[in-house]
Amino acid sequence: NAGVTQTPKFQVLKTGQSMTLQCAQDMNHNSMYWYRQDPGMGLRLIYYSASEGTTDKGEVPNGYNVSRLNKREFSLRLESAAPSQTSVYFCASSELSAYEQYFGPGTRLTVT
Amino acid sequence: AQKVTQAQTEISVVEKEDVTLDCVYETRDTTYYLFWYKQPPSGELVFLIRRNSFDEQNEISGRYSWNFQKSTSSFNFTITASQVVDSAVYFCAFLGAGGTSYGKLTFGQGTILTVHP
Repeated sequence: NAGVTQTPKFQVLKTGQSMTLQCAQDMNHNSMYWYRQDPGMGLRLIYYSASEGTTDKGEVPNGYNVSRLNKREFSLRLESAAPSQTSVYFCASSELSAYEQYFGPGTRLTVT
Repeated sequence: AQKVTQAQTEISVVEKEDVTLDCVYETRDTTYYLFWYKQPPSGELVFLIRRNSFDEQNEISGRYSWNFQKSTSSFNFTITASQVVDSAVYFCAFLGAGGTSYGKLTFGQGTILTVHP
């Protein structure tokens, strides 16, 4: 039982490049989330998926897109990376939207 | 909009001291959930506790205890007899149960706790 897994762990991009962050959970959870963590700002919600087939914007969605591929997988795409997107990205899942969320180990992304 | 404030940016204590981390929230929701998470130096986020707005009973789990006071919109976290392994960033978080806020967890900015031997 791996919980929530994220790939890659580290990534360096040049401005304008694109990439997809992958997230998978094996807890049969319905809801999945993407956050970014910046120094001194806590975690901020980018997008979430309350259930398979639905996605919704969070607090900071600009510059990102998401895909809920199936119940297990939720990917985050940066179409044209910008230095302001340098951050640590966390994926999380929960049984239902009102329940506690369990987090992956994070992806440290640097955009130069 | 919901807001979570953790007034203490950093706290430094010596092992075996008790320490309380403050959390204050703002909301117009009548039903909501409150959480505490721990982020140790390794970086992962660890779930500690979830409370709903209708349950104001204090909770104790080993050396950890939580005091929820709806009248003051506070959900404080106390570590008794702190240990070096308690050194981490602690986040308080809020989840509204209605309308457009449903499913959107709002985090405080975190409190960095350092426990010295």
